[in-house]
Amino acid sequence: DQQVKQNSPSLSVQEGRISILNCDYTNSMFDYFLWYKKYPAEGPTFLISISSIKDKNEDGRFTVFLNKSAKHLSLHIVPSQPGDSAVYFCAADRDDKIIFGKGTRLHILP
Amino acid sequence: DAGVIQSPRHEVTEMGQEVTLRCKPISGHDYLFWYRQTMMRGLELLIYFNNNVPIDDSGMPEDRFSAKMPNASFSNLKIQPSEPRDSAVYFCASSLARTRVEGEQFFGPGTRLTVL
Repeated sequence: DQQVKQNSPSLSVQEGRISILNCDYTNSMFDYFLWYKKYPAEGPTFLISISSIKDKNEDGRFTVFLNKSAKHLSLHIVPSQPGDSAVYFCAADRDDKIIFGKGTRLHILP
Repeated sequence: DAGVIQSPRHEVTEMGQEVTLRCKPISGHDYLFWYRQTMMRGLELLIYFNNNVPIDDSGMPEDRFSAKMPNASFSNLKIQPSEPRDSAVYFCASSLARTRVEGEQFFGPGTRLTVL
């Protein structure tokens, strides 16, 4: 059973436009969420996080939104840049363990 | 700091052989995690340590898998005997403290394991 779901395996976005990556979770006990970014042949790197006491967290071009009632979070990247092409993992923290989604591959088109 | 170091980067072995993957965490980090990434299951946690003590190994798939952390600067993950379905990328990660307090885990570059 997947507790963290990223239903879009891939997404293509024009450079300069907004990229929106979505994530759903099933366990209402999750109260801390993270996004990681992964380039080929490298390990994932932390991007941004959000606590359940907030509904939005912003860091430069990256904003994460959390809708607890819908058990849904999203990552917005604006404007999208070529270097944003990567796999993005949504994750939820539970008792010191991070549970990852399967990832969404983002392609930024020139 | 050089970051989390994993070796080897690539491993090709034959079914039935023992495989040992190695990890050196970032100095001063109290937590160490082993993950496996496959197409089917994505990135899944196998086991994690706190101050060299295994805390949760519920993600270890079978008794063929074992992990140790003999000291703060080294951990290994062993598969004996290996099977083709163990083929995956194995990541080691370390963090300074609890995730929500210090935020992030730092991942190594991974070991790509192929079992023929």
